[in-house]
Amino acid sequence: GENVEQHPSTLSVQEGDSAVIKCTYSDSASNYFPWYKQELGKRPQLIIDIRSNVGEKKDQRIAVTLNKTAKHFSLHITETQPEDSAVYFCAASGKTSYDKVIFGPGTSLSVIP
Amino acid sequence: NAGVTQTPKFRVLKTGQSMTLLCAQDMNHEYMYWYRQDPGMGLRLIHYSVGEGTTAKGEVPDGYNVSRLKKQNFLLGLESAAPSQTSVYFCASRPDRGDEKLFFGSGTQLSVL
Repeated sequence: GENVEQHPSTLSVQEGDSAVIKCTYSDSASNYFPWYKQELGKRPQLIIDIRSNVGEKKDQRIAVTLNKTAKHFSLHITETQPEDSAVYFCAASGKTSYDKVIFGPGTSLSVIP
Repeated sequence: NAGVTQTPKFRVLKTGQSMTLLCAQDMNHEYMYWYRQDPGMGLRLIHYSVGEGTTAKGEVPDGYNVSRLKKQNFLLGLESAAPSQTSVYFCASRPDRGDEKLFFGSGTQLSVL
């Protein structure tokens, strides 16, 4: 089955700097890669996603890139703000198992004012 | 719309006791999921359902059972609770196979003593 790895597990950045979180997946048939943000004590919420037919997607300060050949995808947050502090999860699902959504272990991001 | 509602929000069990967690969604979603969240391990899929009357195993199904007798409800049962099942449990739903965005409930904090 699908296995998703995520690095780093913790990340601290100064306010205004950029943050990058990287994920790898094992199932080459996976074709959908979402990112969820979970603030302390809250439920995870989708912030951005990308499909395998696209190499990059941006939404204001957030962007996701996908390298299908290497089976990895990354989340980029620019001009970080204190409210970006949260746990971020990447996930994957694919053609061999449309129904399962498998998550990575998460990255705890701290933005220092 | 209430979205995805989980009950109870907190529960303490003794080893060997049984209980049922209820997840209810009012969005007419076909797919429903149960995840457990443990520190450093992300969201791990326990069981899921792709429609009323169907269930399937996820990554960590042992010790849990589920039922989807009604489309709007997905029940997670622990027949004989163990300390290893201490965790935060999240329910999620999504519209159908073509729409992969997950909507999460607010979680259930379960402690097994």
